[in-house]
Amino acid sequence: QQQVRQSPQSLTVWEGETAILNCSYENSAFDYFPWYQQFPGEGPALLIAIRSVSDKKEDGRFTIFFNKREKKLSLHITDSQPGDSATYFCAAQGGSAKLIFGEGTKLTVSS
Amino acid sequence: GALVYQYPRRTICKSGTSMRMECQAVGFQATSVAWYRQSPQKTFELIALSTVNSAIKYEQNFTQEKFPISHPNLSFSSMTVLNAYLEDRGLYLCGLGLGVSYEQYFGPGTRLTVL
Repeated sequence: QQQVRQSPQSLTVWEGETAILNCSYENSAFDYFPWYQQFPGEGPALLIAIRSVSDKKEDGRFTIFFNKREKKLSLHITDSQPGDSATYFCAAQGGSAKLIFGEGTKLTVSS
Repeated sequence: GALVYQYPRRTICKSGTSMRMECQAVGFQATSVAWYRQSPQKTFELIALSTVNSAIKYEQNFTQEKFPISHPNLSFSSMTVLNAYLEDRGLYLCGLGLGVSYEQYFGPGTRLTVL
């Protein structure tokens, strides 16, 4: 059973557009949701994270919107750049060090 | 962010042989250590996890007999893949937790190819 789901599997946007990556989860006990950015051949890098007490977290061009009632969150990347092309993983954690990952969204930003 | 070093970055071994990989925290003491395997077919498979307050716990489908882990201090961990076969191929990632919330930072991974 996949506890963290992401959509779409892949996404292509034009440079300057806003990319929206979606994530949903099953377990109500999850209270911390990091997003990781991974480039080919590298490990995942922590990009931005949100705790369930908040409904929004901003860091530059990256914003997480969180809906606790619906168990959904989304990552918005504004003014997308070709350098943002990577695979983005949503993850969830609750009450322990165990991190559950989604299957990722591969983002391509075309110029 | 926190810096995590993994060695080697790539390794090739013959089927049935073993290989060891290392993970090092740079400039901090980890509060948790997690080993994952990432393959094209499956996203991140958690192999085992330990924290400052708990022993190493292996996930279903992974055993200490196959993936022995050494965690002598809060900054270093090593894992061995014993008797590697084709299904063990993938990118092995070490995730080190920072602080009481175990915010995880990853190394670049060790890519294992089995011939």
